[in-house]
Amino acid sequence: DAGITQSPRHKVTETGTPVTLRCHQTENHRYMYWYRQDPGHGLRLIHYSYGVKDTDKGEVSDGYSVSRSKTEDFLLTLESATSSQTSVYFCAISERDRFATDTQYFGPGTRLTVL
Amino acid sequence: GQQVMQIPQYQHVQEGEDFTTYCNSSTTLSNIQWYKQRPGGHPVFLIQLVKSGEVKKQKRLTFQFGEAKKNSSLHITATQTTDVGTYFCAGRTILTGGGNKLTFGTGTQLKVEL
Repeated sequence: DAGITQSPRHKVTETGTPVTLRCHQTENHRYMYWYRQDPGHGLRLIHYSYGVKDTDKGEVSDGYSVSRSKTEDFLLTLESATSSQTSVYFCAISERDRFATDTQYFGPGTRLTVL
Repeated sequence: GQQVMQIPQYQHVQEGEDFTTYCNSSTTLSNIQWYKQRPGGHPVFLIQLVKSGEVKKQKRLTFQFGEAKKNSSLHITATQTTDVGTYFCAGRTILTGGGNKLTFGTGTQLKVEL
């Protein structure tokens, strides 16, 4: 498995509280992504980064913000958590290889429950 | 926006039976990737298909990309218990800045019974 860790792995929080999830990689890959996975929806892209301080929105970005101050770290923040943000969150990284395959490598996931 | 549908949503098979999952996109895809997620695990890349009509094999797994590049399939011959998991297709588009956006299908959950 690629060197990707996510922290925390599990979190229970209350509605209205801020939450920050961390993704850390040791592969020096340029691109990093945050997805959420919900039953019946597959994986949906929240935000992505194409370099330090370079980020952009995905398809389900409302209520989330991200930051990338170092190549290896990509943070996802829920400013004020809501129950609809209960989900499993996956971080992924990619780097275009010489075959232009753009494989995405996923972290182990964070299970977030908002009560 | 781009939508990717997968059928069936669930499939139970007896060990040794074949299994197929189908993926259909609302738009033409530049290429398609397939991932497998074991129960409680994270998605793991299996393969990427690029060319119209392309067929690739990995041991008992056969992947096809449709001629119109709007559909794809994964076929597993003689399933084994190690094949259990959810199989996702993902259509790829290039993002601002050069990364790639994967629009994932809803997945097909495969269960294999002895």
